Amino acid sequence: GNSVTQMEGPVTLSEEAFLTINCTYTATGYPSLFWYVQYPGEGLQLLLKATKADDKGSNKGFEATYRKETTSFHLEKGSVQVSDSAVYFCALRPNNNDMRFGAGTRLTVKP
Amino acid sequence: DAEITQSPRHKITETGRQVTLACHQTWNHNNMFWYRQDLGHGLRLIHYSYGVHDTNKGEVSDGYSVSRSNTEDLPLTLESAASSQTSVYFCASSESNRGNTEAFFGQGTRLTVV
Repeated sequence: GNSVTQMEGPVTLSEEAFLTINCTYTATGYPSLFWYVQYPGEGLQLLLKATKADDKGSNKGFEATYRKETTSFHLEKGSVQVSDSAVYFCALRPNNNDMRFGAGTRLTVKP
Repeated sequence: DAEITQSPRHKITETGRQVTLACHQTWNHNNMFWYRQDLGHGLRLIHYSYGVHDTNKGEVSDGYSVSRSNTEDLPLTLESAASSQTSVYFCASSESNRGNTEAFFGQGTRLTVV
C-alpha cells in the first residue's frame, strides 16, 4: 500500500539553525510528493511539491528533493526563523488516487 | 478568491447523537476529501468523492457517511457520535485526481463528543 513515515518530533531549534525533517515513503508506481505546513489553529497549506524523481521542490527557503533510489523526500532549511514554528506533514499522491499523509513533525524555533 | 470553508469551527455533542459537519468549496473542484487529525496519527482519510453522486470509503470510514449532491458541498455525518470520534476534522479539495495535483484545506472543525 501507500504510506509515509516521518521522523518523530517534536523538534526544537534555535533561530538560524539548520533544519532537516526526514520523510520516507512506500508506494506503488510513481507518486508525487508534497510537504504541507500547519500553523497553530489553521488548516494545512502546501509548502512545496515534487512530481518526479530528482525534482527539487522549494519555497520560502525550504527545499526537498525527490529521491527514488532511497524513497525519500527530506525537508531542509538552511536558517530557520521563529515564524517557521509549525507542524510539517509529508504526503504522497499516486495518480488516480487520494493523498496520504505522515504523522506530522512539530517544529519549535526559539529566539 | 476561491476558498474552502468548514462549519462549525467548534462543536460539542453528546454520545449517540447524529452530527453533520459542513464543507463548502468555491474552487469548482471535482475531488473532495474528509480527514481526521489525531496526535500520533497525522491525517487519516475518512471518505472522499471524485464528483457529484460519487463517494468512496477511506481508511477510517466506520461510523461516518458522506453524500455529494452538488460540486460545492461534501457534508460529513457521524451517525451516532462516539467518544473515539473526538478529533479535528479537515475537509480538502483538489482539481483532479492526478497525482501532481495539490489539495486545498479548510480551517478545520474541532469536534468533542462527551
